[in-house]
Amino acid sequence: AQSVAQPEDQVNVAEGNPLTVKCTYSVSGNPYLFWYVQYPNRGLQFLLKYITGDNLVKGSYGFEAEFNKSQTSFHLKKPSALVSDSALYFCAVSSPPGGTSYGKLTFGQGTILTVHP
Amino acid sequence: EAQVTQNPRYLITVTGKKLTVTCSQNMNHEYMSWYRQDPGLGLRQIYYSMNVEVTDKGDVPEGYKVSRKEKRNFPLILESPSPNQTSLYFCASSLLGAGGYTFGSGTRLTVV
Repeated sequence: AQSVAQPEDQVNVAEGNPLTVKCTYSVSGNPYLFWYVQYPNRGLQFLLKYITGDNLVKGSYGFEAEFNKSQTSFHLKKPSALVSDSALYFCAVSSPPGGTSYGKLTFGQGTILTVHP
Repeated sequence: EAQVTQNPRYLITVTGKKLTVTCSQNMNHEYMSWYRQDPGLGLRQIYYSMNVEVTDKGDVPEGYKVSRKEKRNFPLILESPSPNQTSLYFCASSLLGAGGYTFGSGTRLTVV
């Protein structure tokens, strides 16, 4: 069974500082990895994905994520945080075509990011 | 505009009264899924569908039903709702193999 762990319930960072939101995963075969963001009283918005190729993936709003196969991690990063980045962030994994869980998207429990002015 | 539409956005109901939450997408996606979001638990998959007339259980299917008679629609049915089904529900769709799921705006359900 596939799974995702986000080890930090909350991350606090000062505006202008770099931020990292951690994610590790477990899946059979090569993973499809995603980051989503949820603002209060809103649905989930897609930030970025890793399917194959370059381990550093760039996404929306200046976010990027680094795929590390040996550590089974997909940490979300941003060089300079904004107060408006404060939200709930979810990491998710699915299997590629042919995988046992193809099409199934499994989420981590979420990390609340708070950026202080 | 490409989107996933859920209705209603908010619903308060009583225990045992059957209800349906509708989900429709206009992107011709094969894959559709339902999730519930609870504090500290993230999003958990209830049911998913790989195409018309093809559905399968997710991680928390008990107490729910779904159907996929048309490609665009994927309603979630609670035959006899109970208070432990009070939650925030999301529908999502995707082109299989492409990654990137589009989510609806959510339905906040309260069962009293």
